[in-house]
Amino acid sequence: GAVVSQHPSWVICKSGTSVKIECRSLDFQATTMFWYRQFPKQSLMLMATSNEGSKATYEQGVEKDKFLINHASLTLSTLTVTSAHPEDSSFYICSAQEPTTRGTDTQYFGPGTRLTVL
Amino acid sequence: KNQVEQSPQSLIILEGKNCTLQCNYTVSPFSNLRWYKQDTGRGPVSLTIMTFSENTKSNGRYTATLDADTKQSSLHITASQLSDSASYICVVSVHGNKLVFGAGTILRVKS
Repeated sequence: GAVVSQHPSWVICKSGTSVKIECRSLDFQATTMFWYRQFPKQSLMLMATSNEGSKATYEQGVEKDKFLINHASLTLSTLTVTSAHPEDSSFYICSAQEPTTRGTDTQYFGPGTRLTVL
Repeated sequence: KNQVEQSPQSLIILEGKNCTLQCNYTVSPFSNLRWYKQDTGRGPVSLTIMTFSENTKSNGRYTATLDADTKQSSLHITASQLSDSASYICVVSVHGNKLVFGAGTILRVKS
């Protein structure tokens, strides 16, 4: 099946610094990638939809200036958490969408990145 | 409002036993329904995906059913193994590629 990777798998940073998370589709091209956040014992919450070559679409309540998304190629999207604060500590998961011939576009999820802000 | 509700919230079963997880949804317009397995600290892994016209889909020991009339789905796990311990998430896709996630059922398989 399709593989999506994320880097780093975990990161610890000081409050006020910026952190970049990479999401790559390894064996397919993804015109659309998605970024999710997941707090403990909760389900995934969509943060933004990233389309290659265009600006990301953010969900209501997600600050676009704080969570910068760049989808520079068909296999790479990055999420930068700017001026991170402890409340940004969470599990960040990306997914990449692979179109299928049946029209049931499938999202493949990355392994996630655990961000801890001290 | 598009919603996906899962039951039970958590479940403990003995290794080798079967179990069934439930998913009810109110999502429109419906595109497809997916079941994912998420291990602790990992991203979700797709188990099955079903469109409107599909009633059942199997993947090894996992069998998903879909009743589009009653808007219900179930995931049946046969002969459970310790490695089945995880969160199982029901996800409904709305036309336009938006996913609506259930809260998940936490399954623990004991030896």
